[in-house]
Amino acid sequence: QKEVEQNSGPLSVPEGAIASLNCTYSDRGSQSFFWYRQYSGKSPELIMFIYSNGDKEDGRFTAQLNKASQYVSLLIRDSQPSDSATYLCAVNRDGGSQGNLIFGKGTKLSVKP
Amino acid sequence: SQTIHQWPATLVQPVGSPLSLECTVEGTSNPNLYWYRQAAGRGLQLLFYSVGIGQISSEVPQNLSASRPQDRQFILSSKKLLLSDSGFYLCAWIQGANVDTQYFGPGTRLTVL
Repeated sequence: QKEVEQNSGPLSVPEGAIASLNCTYSDRGSQSFFWYRQYSGKSPELIMFIYSNGDKEDGRFTAQLNKASQYVSLLIRDSQPSDSATYLCAVNRDGGSQGNLIFGKGTKLSVKP
Repeated sequence: SQTIHQWPATLVQPVGSPLSLECTVEGTSNPNLYWYRQAAGRGLQLLFYSVGIGQISSEVPQNLSASRPQDRQFILSSKKLLLSDSGFYLCAWIQGANVDTQYFGPGTRLTVL
């Protein structure tokens, strides 16, 4: 059974701090990795995707991928109260042939003013 | 630009009643389409996906079914709803082969009483 694991949280950080969200996956064949943000009662929205080992930065967000250790993380710099949401990690499966993703259950982030 | 619609937005149905949820995508052609369910406190569960008209793959055996009568239309149905069918139903799409970035519609919140 291919799995994606995330700490459910809640992760609480003060405003302006760095929030670090982690995710591990079981399928060594996974090639694509995604972070989605989901506000309460809303659908997930894509924040970032990463395909290669290392870091990928987009504004205040940095995704980090380590395929050897099978983990992917998301750093949020200068956290804002508006970043409070559940963050879902997703990885592709089946070699990506059908675009199917496996999702973790999400980490709930709370940014305190 | 591409847009994905789902309706209805919310639905309250009695146990044993039928169900029909609709998803349509605009601004693209031949997308891969997905139905997910997110139950309270649980992760995203892939229910069905479709790579073309009339082509449906089922991920979880249950009392739900899906159909794709048109290129950009995906329908989720049930003949008799169960209490356990309650949840947040999400439609997602990706464009083309060798692409696995999924975008979600606004979702339908279903409560079965």
